[in-house]
Amino acid sequence: QVQLVQSGAEVKKPGASVKVSCKASGYTFKNYGITWVRQAPGQGLEWVGWISAYKGDTNSAQKLQGRVTMTTDTSTSTAYMELRSLRSDDTAVYFCARGEEQWLPYFDYWGQGTLVTVSS
Amino acid sequence: QSVLTQPPSVSAAPGQKVTISCSGSTSNIMNNFVSWFRQFPGTAPKLLIYDNNKRPSEIPDRFSGSKSGTSATLGITGLQTGDEADYYCGTWDSSVSAVVFGGGTKLTVL
Repeated sequence: QVQLVQSGAEVKKPGASVKVSCKASGYTFKNYGITWVRQAPGQGLEWVGWISAYKGDTNSAQKLQGRVTMTTDTSTSTAYMELRSLRSDDTAVYFCARGEEQWLPYFDYWGQGTLVTVSS
Repeated sequence: QSVLTQPPSVSAAPGQKVTISCSGSTSNIMNNFVSWFRQFPGTAPKLLIYDNNKRPSEIPDRFSGSKSGTSATLGITGLQTGDEADYYCGTWDSSVSAVVFGGGTKLTVL
């Protein structure tokens, strides 16, 4: 069965970086992309970005461009999302989801979420 | 402030029907596929509807989706207390080259 398993919760200081992993299993990793979505406490969903597991093409939300990097390791079927220069408003649960194309919101499988807390 | 507009909350009695609206624009809903997600507290969202009106195989036909112009609608019939959750619409927005979501609608089954 398809599974996306994310790394554990993180606590970071403002200005630091965080790297969240998302390990996929149960399907051919290269045939799909990975979308990242975040959710601040008590708030709605916010799209972070998308990466093609096959080509490595990426696209990220304009407000995060320059601070976010998405990568994949096809040898371990793992996707990574790194966010730099963390601010308090980056505190959120970060989800990865399987997504075929960046323009198609067909997110059929999700990771369990990773809480990233940014606090001094 | 979300690009797509949803009512903050809706409510209905068990067994009744409810609809949740999602309003957008020509750069998003009108020309792109809409998906709907359900989220229980503390859990990941789950895909309910994709491509405007298609259901994943495990989603019962009590859930339906439609789209007209710059708006989309999620319908739920035969409401159950287990349907109480937050519901989100999402679609691609060509003007910002990003997936955008509605602010979410909290469904209460009275």
